[in-house]
Amino acid sequence: EIVLTQSPDFQSVTPKEKVTITCRASQSIGYNLHWYQQKPDQSPKLLIKYASQPFSGVPSRFSGSGSGTDFTLTINSLEAEDAATYYCHQSSSLPLTFGGGTKVEIK
Amino acid sequence: VQLLQSGGGLVQPGGSLRLSCAPSGFTFSAYAMSWVRQAPGKGLEWVSAISDSGGSAHYADSVKGRFTISRDNSKNTLYLQMNSLRAEDTAVYYCASHTGGNVVVTAIDYWGQGTLVTVSS
Repeated sequence: EIVLTQSPDFQSVTPKEKVTITCRASQSIGYNLHWYQQKPDQSPKLLIKYASQPFSGVPSRFSGSGSGTDFTLTINSLEAEDAATYYCHQSSSLPLTFGGGTKVEIK
Repeated sequence: VQLLQSGGGLVQPGGSLRLSCAPSGFTFSAYAMSWVRQAPGKGLEWVSAISDSGGSAHYADSVKGRFTISRDNSKNTLYLQMNSLRAEDTAVYYCASHTGGNVVVTAIDYWGQGTLVTVSS
């Protein structure tokens, strides 16, 4: 099973600040890494697919990078509406797995 | 795209429940589908997935032998039959679509609204 380790677990950030979340895979997964945003009491939403491809309708302040085992989600100029938990997910092999999540709080 | 879920509720340990998911807004038969769950206050856990044709189904070890995923492409409906339910199966269950017909190497894109399954006596 491929284990995804996210860091940090929690981040408290002021608006307009830049946020960086990392996801490390226990073995190489190529570009098969995707990022999701989940706000309280809502379903997750796809932000970035295949490491760096923005999903339809996602604001341009969200971007992704990486390949192999190390990946990064960046939120440029954080907005209040970005308060949420962010998850990475790998679809390289079964079982499909998710990272533990990173909660982003607005100061 | 919408994924409308139904089913769920309170069930006793050892009991059974069936979840349904009715997608709309895309060609259901062309895409793989998954069930993902989230225990109260916890992260996301993949449960099961099925290919576009229904020819291959896959399960997390935690539910293998107890849960069965299926789909009826003629009715545009995805199912999750859950048997021998345990307290640790208590979670919000989401159905989700993939970006292609295979379970692997495709991203999960759209999610249903979620349905709560509570296993308790």
